[in-house]
Amino acid sequence: EPEVTQTPSHQVTQMGQEVILRCVPISNHLYFYWYRQILGQKVEFLVSFYNNEISEKSEIFDDQFSVERPDGSNFTLKIRSTKLEDSAMYFCASTRGSSTDTQYFGPGTRLTVL
Amino acid sequence: AQTVTQSQPEMSVQEAETVTLSCTYDTSESNYYLFWYKQPPSRQMILVIRQEAYKQQNATENRFSVNFQKAAKSFSLKISDSQLGDTAMYFCAFSEETSGSRLTFGEGTQLTVNP
Repeated sequence: EPEVTQTPSHQVTQMGQEVILRCVPISNHLYFYWYRQILGQKVEFLVSFYNNEISEKSEIFDDQFSVERPDGSNFTLKIRSTKLEDSAMYFCASTRGSSTDTQYFGPGTRLTVL
Repeated sequence: AQTVTQSQPEMSVQEAETVTLSCTYDTSESNYYLFWYKQPPSRQMILVIRQEAYKQQNATENRFSVNFQKAAKSFSLKISDSQLGDTAMYFCAFSEETSGSRLTFGEGTQLTVNP
């Protein structure tokens, strides 16, 4: 069964450094998402992406964040200058044909900012 | 803004018994979608069940079923014949058609199935 994959599984970085989190959505899916989950807290929406542009973003997704689909398979989240409070689990998700379809999640990337 | 509330931070159940997890939500929309996701210790988010608000029939998926009460804005998850592998954090989530597609999650309920 096809699934969403994410790399790396764990990323450790120094405060102020740039990080890029990578996701490979399910191949015939058209809508892509990033969520984050700070340890012990609820999952929060960051951004949705469709047709090579952002379709919606939350107040968390400020100028330090950007997303890109550099090729036909990858979907990336870049944090330009990481802060301690960016430490969280970051989940990528994708849906097939419409924004109201079920979102399938990847296994997540644990980001630790020191 | 829509909100999702799970009032039970933790629950436990004996293996083979039935347990119900509660979820309430708030929205002014008439068409929306509700989900239960499971997050085991690996922290992967796994879809358990989905319910469309326009469908009156409660969704079922093997041992998992929901009790969807639209007027009360309630969406509970019933797990029958609980298994040790059901031990996980369970998140209720909500998506409005008009908001595009963002999922709004509840705080989660940690379910432990005891042998």
